[in-house]
Amino acid sequence: NAGVTQTPKFQVLKTGQSMTLQCAQDMNHEYMSWYRQDPGMGLRLIHYSVGAGITDQGEVPNGYNVSRSTTEDFPLRLLSAAPSQTSVYFCASSYSGLAGGRQYFGPGTRLTVL
Amino acid sequence: GDSVTQMEGPVTLSEEAFLTINCTYTATGYPSLFWYVQYPGEGLQLLLKATKADDKGSNKGFEATYRKETTSFHLEKGSVQVSDSAVYFCALTESYSGGGADGLTFGKGTHLIIQP
Repeated sequence: NAGVTQTPKFQVLKTGQSMTLQCAQDMNHEYMSWYRQDPGMGLRLIHYSVGAGITDQGEVPNGYNVSRSTTEDFPLRLLSAAPSQTSVYFCASSYSGLAGGRQYFGPGTRLTVL
Repeated sequence: GDSVTQMEGPVTLSEEAFLTINCTYTATGYPSLFWYVQYPGEGLQLLLKATKADDKGSNKGFEATYRKETTSFHLEKGSVQVSDSAVYFCALTESYSGGGADGLTFGKGTHLIIQP
């Protein structure tokens, strides 16, 4: 199994540009989520999904959209990039919600917005 | 809301030293508690967890005990190695018992540096 994969690894955007961060998992996990990691802030939840067709907002959802058309994929869209969105983004998945469950994290995407 | 507080780093130790990284939490219910580790350039990996009071999680020589009375989940290891150098995150979730699916609440992370 490849586990959780994320593309791209690095990205530089200009303010106002849009882009999609890709996330895929091959473990047939129902639950997937996106976090951002900022220096001195730990990780903060952006959006999550409990299954195909179902998404919900986390702690810091503004400026981001998600969709879940398949179990495997959970892309994160930046609608109009801002410098405040400069961060490292991690996708995670787990078998069924967080019922004491283990989260599997991808390697991250480092995004810089100029 | 829920929160996790852990000691600021970096924490620098010599090889074979005893390690303690403090973690305390605030939660309204009965959270599950986790320690995740992030090695340079990688995503987070689950190190250990505990789902109820007095449970002890352990893995790779690391241990942490869920202390409800002190709302703490301190990470310990008796003899650290250079390969333990990483960033360690304490985290919690309250969603498991009700089957909810909120995310994890993380502390800010502690950067551990082990010198030979």
